Amino acid sequence: DAGVIQSPRHEVTEMGQEVTLRCKPISGHNSLFWYRQTMMRGLELLIYFNNNVPIDDSGMPEDRFSAKMPNASFSTLKIQPSEPRDSAVYFCASSLPGTTDTQYFGPGTRLTVL
Amino acid sequence: QQQVKQSPQSLIVQKGGISIINCAYENTAFDYFPWYQQFPGKGPALLIAIRPDVSEKKEGRFTISFNKSAKQFSLHIMDSQPGDSATYFCAASKGGNEKLTFGTGTRLTIIP
Repeated sequence: DAGVIQSPRHEVTEMGQEVTLRCKPISGHNSLFWYRQTMMRGLELLIYFNNNVPIDDSGMPEDRFSAKMPNASFSTLKIQPSEPRDSAVYFCASSLPGTTDTQYFGPGTRLTVL
Repeated sequence: QQQVKQSPQSLIVQKGGISIINCAYENTAFDYFPWYQQFPGKGPALLIAIRPDVSEKKEGRFTISFNKSAKQFSLHIMDSQPGDSATYFCAASKGGNEKLTFGTGTRLTIIP
C-alpha cells in the first residue's frame, strides 16, 4: 500500500517567492494534517482537515500561509511570499475516519528559503 | 502554551541499557497518549500508545508507564539497541477527531 505521498521532497527558493507543497493522503483516510518541524520549535501542527473541511487552523503562522483540500485525495500548503524563517521540514499526515489517534506521516518536504 | 512537556531533550544510553523518556501533561481532558518514533530523513511513525484506564502497556521491548494522578507518562526501552537510535515524541489528545499535541522530542542515541 502506498503511504502518504508528499512532493517535492526538497525545495530551495529565494525569499519572496511563492512555494507550494503537495500531499496525497492514504486512500480511505478522511483527516489530513500539515505539520512543520524545526530544531527550535519541534513538531507544530499548522492545520488539519476533516472530510476536506478545515477544522483547526490556529497553528498557521500568519496570512502568508494558506492550505486547501479540494478533494479527498489532494491537499496543498502554500507560502506566499516565503521568508528565510519558513525554512523547515513540512510533514503531511492522514488518519482513518472517526479517529485521529493514529496518524500516518509522509516523508516530508525540506524547504530552504534563501 | 506548551501542553505536553517532554524530557530529556537528548539521551545517550549504552547498548543493552534501559532508555527512559518522560512526559507531563496539563489538560485533564486528554485520554490518549501515543509515542512516535522518527528516524533521520523520515516522518514520525506510531510506536506505542496508552489510554488512562491502564497504568502500563508493553509491546516487546517498549513499555509505557502512565501515572494519571501525577499527569505523567514515560517510555521505557529495555535492552536498548543501536537501531533504536531515533527521535521520540510523546503526544496527547482528547481522542476521537481531536488533534494530537506533541512534546518537543527526545533525541536518543544508543552507543555500543
